[in-house]
Amino acid sequence: GDSVTQTEGQVTVSESKSLIINCTYSATSIGYPNLFWYVRYPGEGLQLLLKVITAGQKGSSRGFEATYNKEATSFHLQKASVQESDSAVYYCGGANSGTYQRFGTGTKLQVVP
Amino acid sequence: EAAVTQSPRNKVTVTGGNVTLSCRQTNSHNYMYWYRQDTGHGLRLIHYSYGAGNLQIGDVPDGYKATRTTQEDFFLLLELASPSQTSLYFCASSEWTGGSQNTLYFGAGTRLSVL
Repeated sequence: GDSVTQTEGQVTVSESKSLIINCTYSATSIGYPNLFWYVRYPGEGLQLLLKVITAGQKGSSRGFEATYNKEATSFHLQKASVQESDSAVYYCGGANSGTYQRFGTGTKLQVVP
Repeated sequence: EAAVTQSPRNKVTVTGGNVTLSCRQTNSHNYMYWYRQDTGHGLRLIHYSYGAGNLQIGDVPDGYKATRTTQEDFFLLLELASPSQTSLYFCASSEWTGGSQNTLYFGAGTRLSVL
């Protein structure tokens, strides 16, 4: 089946520094996947951060952005300047046409002063 | 405000015990899902449903039953709980548009411990 890979289990970044969290989406069939980034704050459920439905499209929200590169199958999450309030767990998700979402293993972001 | 509500938030049971996790959504979505979240595995789909009385299997259905009684309510049943089912469980709802799954809306999760 389709798979989503996040390589970093935990990332520590200093406040005001830049962030990149890697995600790759691999589909077993040709299609037009919807790609998502979700965020989970302590004690809460996952909530949508951003999504894209077209290759080359950029999604953005709260200073985060991600672009789906179909050739590289990548959908990395980036932010130019992180804040302490961004500390959370980030999940990459992907759903090809006709299938339900698969998720990466999640990346815990810790922003330190 | 549209929401997905799970109960209980925490549950402890013993091996062989009977557990029911409840989920209610007020999003008017047709689809509902049960995921489990484990360190190193991310979220894995157990069961899902596209309407009352319907049930579909996900990627990790073994040891779980589920039932969708209404459009709003979806239950996950563990009839003979095992320690391997200790996990954080999330319920979610969504719509599908043009054959593709849309954004998932999640509950806050139920933490289950099987001793």
